Amino acid sequence: DAGITQSPRHKVTETGTPVTLRCHQTENHRYMYWYRQDPGHGLRLIHYSYGVKDTDKGEVSDGYSVSRSKTEDFLLTLESATSSQTSVYFCAIRSGLGSYEQYFGPGTRLTVT
Amino acid sequence: SQELEQSPQSLIVQEGKNLTINCTSSKTLYGLYWYKQKYGEGLIFLMMLQKGGEEKSHEKITAKLDEKKQQSSLHITASQPSHAGIYLCGADTIGGGGNKLTFGTGTQLKVEL
Repeated sequence: DAGITQSPRHKVTETGTPVTLRCHQTENHRYMYWYRQDPGHGLRLIHYSYGVKDTDKGEVSDGYSVSRSKTEDFLLTLESATSSQTSVYFCAIRSGLGSYEQYFGPGTRLTVT
Repeated sequence: SQELEQSPQSLIVQEGKNLTINCTSSKTLYGLYWYKQKYGEGLIFLMMLQKGGEEKSHEKITAKLDEKKQQSSLHITASQPSHAGIYLCGADTIGGGGNKLTFGTGTQLKVEL
């Protein structure tokens, strides 16, 4: 157990509404990641963070923003949700102390109607 | 075509049989990660390979990275129902820390009694 929680675990929202997903870790890991998982596409990186207030874009960052104001929390925001953002979202962490393995949270299933 | 191809896409084996899953990259692999996912759950880290020819084992699962560092295989010996799930390979094809991983679409394994 890498001490990662995601909230909410399930959410249904309407097109055009803002949505924020939260990833929380308890072990002070430096690196945090947001992925989305879709059938036929596998996991794709949205954004990642390499420290407080330090973030970078991934493969599918359009329509998403992130924030990390403290080590333990990494927030993913959909400013105006679209049906194409219906997906399962996973957060992951990496300690960065000579370690390259990423450990994943339980996921958030988001449905945009 | 996908940067990272997994084969087969799905596999049904009888309990006790051996099986192999392959992960082939169109680019040089600086790190190759194997994960297991059960339906509706997060990813469980299995192993990471970095060096050409490297081989690692965990219980009855063995993974190897070929010498040219563009393909990895995951071999399960004497499969059990507990091995059932989706096996995903993730790859660092950029180098420099493994922050931007690419994932295959997964191999679904069913183990019949």
